[in-house]
Amino acid sequence: EVVMTQSPATLSVSPGERVTLSCRASQSVSSSFAWYQQKPGQRPRLLIYGGSTRASGVPARFSSSGSGTEFTLTISSLQSEDFAVYYCQQYISWPRTFGQGTRLDI
Amino acid sequence: EVQLVESGGGLVKPGGSLRLSCTVSEFTLSPDPLNWVRQAPGKGLEWVSYISSSSSYIYYADSVKGRFTISRDNAQNLLYLQMNNLRAEDTAVYYCALGIAAFEQWGQGTLVTVSS
Repeated sequence: EVVMTQSPATLSVSPGERVTLSCRASQSVSSSFAWYQQKPGQRPRLLIYGGSTRASGVPARFSSSGSGTEFTLTISSLQSEDFAVYYCQQYISWPRTFGQGTRLDI
Repeated sequence: EVQLVESGGGLVKPGGSLRLSCTVSEFTLSPDPLNWVRQAPGKGLEWVSYISSSSSYIYYADSVKGRFTISRDNAQNLLYLQMNNLRAEDTAVYYCALGIAAFEQWGQGTLVTVSS
């Protein structure tokens, strides 16, 4: 199984900052990965798929890059509503696997 | 937009069984591939099972293989997860999620608690 590892586990940031979250896969997943956002008490929301394509309704301040084994999610200017947990996920093989998440804290 | 609504969660004793359901408001052009994903309290996301549109392809996580069974009724727009021989570590919110690759839509989840 492909192990997805996210870093850091928690990131303390301030509104307006540029933030970069990292995800590493134990083997190449090409561009077959996605990013999700989950706020407390809410369901996960798809942000990015296919490595860099924003899902419908996702603001342009969210971007993703990388392929193979190293990926990053960048939030260009953090808004108050962006404080959440972010997960990466690979879908090149079964089982589908998620990273353990990165929490953005104020 | 497709809406997914889970039901059937609750409190069950170790070794017991439970069947979860997910109602899909509508499919796009054809029945969509569907998944179950769970999240233990305070923990991350864990994919559990997948079923293709015609039920031809089914996959399970090793942690539930042999105990859980996924199925669907396309005529009724329903997805099921039959969970047998439940363990404490199966305690989680169970989400149904649409998609074969990235999970495009999620339900609100249903809580399953396994405890004596």
